[in-house]
Amino acid sequence: EDQVTQSPEALRLQEGESSSLNCSYTVSGLRGLFWYRQDPGKGPEFLFTLYSAGEEKEKERLKATLTKKESFLHITAPKPEDSATYLCAVQGGGAGNKLTFGGGTRVLVKP
Amino acid sequence: EAQVTQNPRYLITVTGKKLTVTCSQNMNHEYMSWYRQDPGLGLRQIYYSMNVEVTDKGDVPEGYKVSRKEKRNFPLILESPSPNQTSLYFCASSLTGTSQQYFGPGTRLTVT
Repeated sequence: EDQVTQSPEALRLQEGESSSLNCSYTVSGLRGLFWYRQDPGKGPEFLFTLYSAGEEKEKERLKATLTKKESFLHITAPKPEDSATYLCAVQGGGAGNKLTFGGGTRVLVKP
Repeated sequence: EAQVTQNPRYLITVTGKKLTVTCSQNMNHEYMSWYRQDPGLGLRQIYYSMNVEVTDKGDVPEGYKVSRKEKRNFPLILESPSPNQTSLYFCASSLTGTSQQYFGPGTRLTVT
């Protein structure tokens, strides 16, 4: 069974204080690891897809990296508008196309 | 505008009264999926569909039914809702099963 664990559960940052979010996973044959951002009361919004260890992707202040066991989402010099819950999900190589999400990391960036 | 729509957005109902939550996408996506989100449990997949007339169970399918008769629509049916189905429900679609998913705005369901 695919499993995804995100840490920390919550993160409070000062504006400009860089940090990293962790997503540890166990999956039989990774087909893709996804990062989403979710604002309160809204549906998740796609950020990145990573397919193989060593891959990195960047978007503005966010950078996602992938190893064989975990992924990191680095937030560089965050701004208050980066406050959100960040979700990690994996799609394994088993039967079907099931997506398994982690519990998320709530990020609050204070000005 | 490319989007996934869900209706209703909010629903309060009673135990045992059948209900349907509709989901529609205008992006010609093949893959559609339903999730429920509960505090402390995160997003859990209920059912997904790879294409018209093709559906499969996710992690928590008990008590739910789906159908995919048209490519754009993927309704979620609760034939006899119970209080443990009180949750926030999201529909999502993607071009393929491994590409990024676009989520709807959510449906908050309360079963009393």
